[in-house]
Amino acid sequence: DGGITQSPKYLFRKEGQNVTLSCEQNLNHDAMYWYRQDPGQGLRLIYYSQIVNDFQKGDIAEGYSVSREKKESFPLTVTSAQKNPTAFYLCASSISLTGAGNTIYFGEGSWLTVV
Amino acid sequence: AQSVTQPDIHITVSEGASLELRCNYSYGATPYLFWYVQSPGQGLQLLLKYFSGDTLVQGIKGFEAEFKRSQSSFNLRKPSVHWSDAAEYFCAVGPSGYSTLTFGKGTMLLVSP
Repeated sequence: DGGITQSPKYLFRKEGQNVTLSCEQNLNHDAMYWYRQDPGQGLRLIYYSQIVNDFQKGDIAEGYSVSREKKESFPLTVTSAQKNPTAFYLCASSISLTGAGNTIYFGEGSWLTVV
Repeated sequence: AQSVTQPDIHITVSEGASLELRCNYSYGATPYLFWYVQSPGQGLQLLLKYFSGDTLVQGIKGFEAEFKRSQSSFNLRKPSVHWSDAAEYFCAVGPSGYSTLTFGKGTMLLVSP
């Protein structure tokens, strides 16, 4: 089945450690996104990428990093510089970044808890 | 900059009753508008979207939404709610030609028996 796979589903991290969340899609989409979701806050855009080897900061990029070495993969690293990393993280993709309101499709999300 | 307001944080509806979830947006031109649904601990699923044309849009699971430019609104409706509709609903707006979306903070729908 075509879709977006995020792993792990649940992740615990000690303070001061970096952690990487995986996101893989087999939809042949050019654009990929990372959102952060906190209770009552909706979704906030962290980073997005419209093509391999290119990515841009979203609204809350501080303390995060990404790479886009392959079309199907867009991993997110939560660094120790992120002051409040405990959240639900959603990866998404769309056919392209520009165009007539391309639909964005979401993965099932990853829970990150800092202990 | 575009923004989305969902005025209701929680709504409780009796099973079988009608539903309307409110969404107001702020954007200078004609926006692209979306409604997504999220079950607890899951990703978001697209219910429907509006780009242009007919202002009444039909979606999946019996949902519909109406775009009202004069009121800057895109309210979601369903004539008869089922217990399985209990979830969180997000309205989102995107500018023409650029598909990073701005999401509202969501409305949690509770369905009572």
